[in-house]
Amino acid sequence: QKEVEQNSGPLSVPEGAIASLNCTYSDRVSQSFFWYRQYSGKSPELIMSIYSNGDKEDGRFTAQLNKASQYVSLLIRDSQPSDSATYLCAVKHGTSYGKLTFGQGTILTVHP
Amino acid sequence: GAVVSQHPSWVICKSGTSVKIECRSLDFQATTMFWYRQFPKQSLMLMATSNEGSKATYEQGVEKDKFLINHASLTLSTLTVTSAHPEDSSFYICSAPVVRGLDTEAFFGQGTRLTVV
Repeated sequence: QKEVEQNSGPLSVPEGAIASLNCTYSDRVSQSFFWYRQYSGKSPELIMSIYSNGDKEDGRFTAQLNKASQYVSLLIRDSQPSDSATYLCAVKHGTSYGKLTFGQGTILTVHP
Repeated sequence: GAVVSQHPSWVICKSGTSVKIECRSLDFQATTMFWYRQFPKQSLMLMATSNEGSKATYEQGVEKDKFLINHASLTLSTLTVTSAHPEDSSFYICSAPVVRGLDTEAFFGQGTRLTVV
């Protein structure tokens, strides 16, 4: 079992729709969870971080964390073509200093 | 914010030669630097962790004699791919953790696209 798994893609949504990205993790001592966006040929850029159960909203983005289910998700509302990218879920273990384990990524395409 | 500058952004080299990739922390001191590798359509895989003034820690399956890491100062970490072969062609990314409140945030370099011909 992979440590961090993301829902298989690619995911295609029309402009203006809600894109839903999912991620599960296997290590229960994980404490910090991140969503990164990566454009082709570029390094990842942080979109959201979440540490507590529940929802966290930032603009069009909402991250959801359920530690009991070991599940974290990212919702993108009013999706735009510029949101088309690979989205990476990353998990930091409680004892590590900044070391992240990444999921395999989900390719999102927002078509006009 | 914390800036990590990675150079070169791309490099093409002949098989058998060595390539050095540099990551500099511009406005903070990076005692730790993570080095990742990303093959096409795959995720980032941690290769090694470098710590200033000490030997790097390599992940299982990563050849330490092939991927030489040096972290001689608090602002510079380097990765040298020795005797490069076409299968080493990949996207290499460095990342430095920065303490933010109660947690640490990872700041990434721009990445280096290595092509070995």
